[in-house]
Amino acid sequence: AQSVAQPEDQVNVAEGNPLTVKCTYSVSGNPYLFWYVQYPNRGLQFLLKYITGDNLVKGSYGFEAEFNKSQTSFHLKKPSALVSDSALYFCAVRDRNTDKLIFGTGTRLQVFP
Amino acid sequence: NAGVMQNPRHLVRRRGQEARLRCSPMKGHSHVYWYRQLPEEGLKFMVYLQKENIIDESGMPKERFSAEFPKEGPSILRIQQVVRGDSAAYFCASSEMVAGDATGELFFGEGSRLTVL
Repeated sequence: AQSVAQPEDQVNVAEGNPLTVKCTYSVSGNPYLFWYVQYPNRGLQFLLKYITGDNLVKGSYGFEAEFNKSQTSFHLKKPSALVSDSALYFCAVRDRNTDKLIFGTGTRLQVFP
Repeated sequence: NAGVMQNPRHLVRRRGQEARLRCSPMKGHSHVYWYRQLPEEGLKFMVYLQKENIIDESGMPKERFSAEFPKEGPSILRIQQVVRGDSAAYFCASSEMVAGDATGELFFGEGSRLTVL
């Protein structure tokens, strides 16, 4: 079965510092991986995806993610965090047999001024 | 191009009543997914539908819950005889699916927040 794991419930970072939100995956075959962000009382917004090609994927709001096949990871990164980046971040994998998007448990990012 | 539209945004029901949640996908999208999010938790898949077909309902509770996506009109998630444990945010997502291609992202609505008293 396809799955993703987000080992951190919360990540705290000071504004201006780099941030990393971790995600590892467990899939058979080549993974289709996604990152979404959720602001309070809102729906999920798509940030970026990895399908194939370059391991470094650039997305919205200055975020990027690095696909690492040997470590089965797809960590979300940003060089300089903003207070407005504070939100809930979800990693997800697309199950190519069922077309379902399977989400991790989410990581709450808190950026302090 | 309007995004995924869900209504109502907030719904309050008493135990035993019925809840109907509606979702209109993005224009041109023929695939709809429903997810449930409990407070401070992640999203759990419930059901995946195409027009007039249920493709995967493996995440739906066996009783009281049903979903449809008719040829005309929005997709409906129906919860009969609601209980307090049904209180959650229900999200709808849509995608433009090309046969055999699962690379596209899902676009989510703002959610319907159900509170059962």
